[in-house]
Amino acid sequence: KAGVTQTPRYLIKTRGQQVTLSCSPISGHRSVSWYQQTPGQGLQFLFEYFSETQRNKGNFPGRFSGRQFSNSRSEMNVSTLELGDSALYLCASSTNPGTDTQYFGPGTRLTVL
Amino acid sequence: EDQVTQSPEALRLQEGESSSLNCSYTVSGLRGLFWYRQDPGKGPEFLFTLYSAGEEKEKERLKATLTKKESFLHITAPKPEDSATYLCAVFFGNEKLTFGTGTRLTIIP
Repeated sequence: KAGVTQTPRYLIKTRGQQVTLSCSPISGHRSVSWYQQTPGQGLQFLFEYFSETQRNKGNFPGRFSGRQFSNSRSEMNVSTLELGDSALYLCASSTNPGTDTQYFGPGTRLTVL
Repeated sequence: EDQVTQSPEALRLQEGESSSLNCSYTVSGLRGLFWYRQDPGKGPEFLFTLYSAGEEKEKERLKATLTKKESFLHITAPKPEDSATYLCAVFFGNEKLTFGTGTRLTIIP
């Protein structure tokens, strides 16, 4: 079974721009979560989607948003990029939300200049 | 606030030298504890899930255990390929997966 895929793998943007990242979950997984990983803060939860609905949200500003499609694929968007948004953005999928094990993709490395 | 603390931050071992990594958490309704391994530049790779105190899971040279307030990842006779950052994550009642900052493990041949 194919794993979680994320595109693009690497991205360079400048301050003020916006970016959209994509995630395709493992086949049959209906829940998708997004995380931001930085050297200083570690892995931090952004949001979780299930059945096209945002089920939970972390403590990030409104510039961070996401959505999920009917095929469970998910996208996250960051508007008005700031230097501090440079990070590895990780997507994880699970069969169902809650305590089901989450399986991670390879991540998208975003660099904001 | 729910917190997950991992220790030590970094650990260097000789090949074959067994040791344990610790993950402690605030006791506020743990619903699941997860161990992941992460190599540089890659996404975390799932290792174990533990749901209740007393539970143990094993895989090759790794064994994870869980008590009411902490979990241990025991590494027996490690090899250089076990070098990685090991992450602990806890699913609390707020239904958010909270990660520790990880233990960076280096196995020296």
